[in-house]
Amino acid sequence: NAGVTQTPKFQVLKTGQSMTLQCAQDMNHEYMSWYRQDPGMGLRLIHYSVGAGITDQGEVPNGYNVSRSTTEDFPLRLLSAAPSQTSVYFCASRRRDSPGQQKLFFGSGTQLSVL
Amino acid sequence: RKEVEQDPGPFNVPEGATVAFNCTYSNSASQSFFWYRQDCRKEPKLLMSVYSSGNEDGRFTAQLNRASQYISLLIRDSKLSDSATYLCVVTQNTGNQFYFGTGTSLTVIP
Repeated sequence: NAGVTQTPKFQVLKTGQSMTLQCAQDMNHEYMSWYRQDPGMGLRLIHYSVGAGITDQGEVPNGYNVSRSTTEDFPLRLLSAAPSQTSVYFCASRRRDSPGQQKLFFGSGTQLSVL
Repeated sequence: RKEVEQDPGPFNVPEGATVAFNCTYSNSASQSFFWYRQDCRKEPKLLMSVYSSGNEDGRFTAQLNRASQYISLLIRDSKLSDSATYLCVVTQNTGNQFYFGTGTSLTVIP
């Protein structure tokens, strides 16, 4: 199994450009989420989904959109990139039940720079 | 106020040393607790869950104090391979939101 696959690994955007970060998992996990990691801030939750057709906001949702049309895929869209969105982005998934027992499986991350 | 706070370190310890990290959380309704490990420029990976009664996994011992709202991680007989950043993580409400500390950096020195 591939686990959680994120693409691209690196991306440079100009301010105002749009792009989509891709995330796919092959573990049949109901729960998927997106985090950003900034120096001194830790990982912060952007959006999450508990199943196909269901999404919700995390701590820092502004400037990002998500959708969940299938169990496997959870893309993150930046509609108009801003320098403040320069960060490392991680996608993570887990089984939905018993969160106390469940570990998050992370993708390998996307380094995004917005100039 | 941050949901989870950790001393960022860095902790530089010799091989074989015992080192302890602490973490505090602000929401008394927090449900589940974890330690994750993150190597430089890599994704976080679960090290261990933390249970109220305390739990051990080899050289690693985790403890939870709900009354004082802190979590600890003890590493015994440190190895060079333990060098990493250790992230304290808590969940709240339905468990759909995971809150990460900023991490504590550990370097084990030969």
